[in-house]
Amino acid sequence: QQPVQSPQAVILREGEDAVINCSSSKALYSVHWYRQKHGEAPVFLMILLKGGEQKGHEKISASFNEKKQQSSLYLTASQLSYSGTYFCGTEVGGYQKVTFGIGTKLQVIP
Amino acid sequence: DVKVTQSSRYLVKRTGEKVFLECVQDMDHENMFWYRQDPGLGLRLIYFSYDVKMKEKGDIPEGYSVSREKKERFSLILESASTNQTSMYLCASCPPTRAYNEQFFGPGTRLTVL
Repeated sequence: QQPVQSPQAVILREGEDAVINCSSSKALYSVHWYRQKHGEAPVFLMILLKGGEQKGHEKISASFNEKKQQSSLYLTASQLSYSGTYFCGTEVGGYQKVTFGIGTKLQVIP
Repeated sequence: DVKVTQSSRYLVKRTGEKVFLECVQDMDHENMFWYRQDPGLGLRLIYFSYDVKMKEKGDIPEGYSVSREKKERFSLILESASTNQTSMYLCASCPPTRAYNEQFFGPGTRLTVL
């Protein structure tokens, strides 16, 4: 079952902040965040593990609420280069099988 | 520099044809994945493999099969292509350790079935 992402789309001006949310109905081992620019492959941003370990991007942060099975991605002081579609992926079982949401399209304008 | 390559960027096939999509990674990763990406549906997992000759169904395996004879190569097979399999297909790989399982994606193959 795909995780639910919100919002589906957002437009920001440079320097503004954004939050993208991801929720699942199942208990999660980990949450993954990727960004895909138009015409390119998805690129890893962040992984949040059950128990609090986190590995990710310098300028983008995220949280993982294990009790609520929710994660949020925080984009602060947005830059034009942040534009793209952001996918969250959730891992329920083993073998690193990740189920992705439908994505959040983010556009940063000057 | 890590690399996942896919055999074709664009492919056009006819209904009923057998189609092979090839993916090769040079990172010695155990895990490999095949996804399809459609507007409004996101990335959906078709099959994945966590070792040579091992495979597991993903969320939408119907109409597809896979082959992994060598660690670096993971093939997606459409036994009899249909128009509803027109899509962007993405291959990915990652190491087996959960804490470091960043998936590396290939550039994708845009398949059109006529």
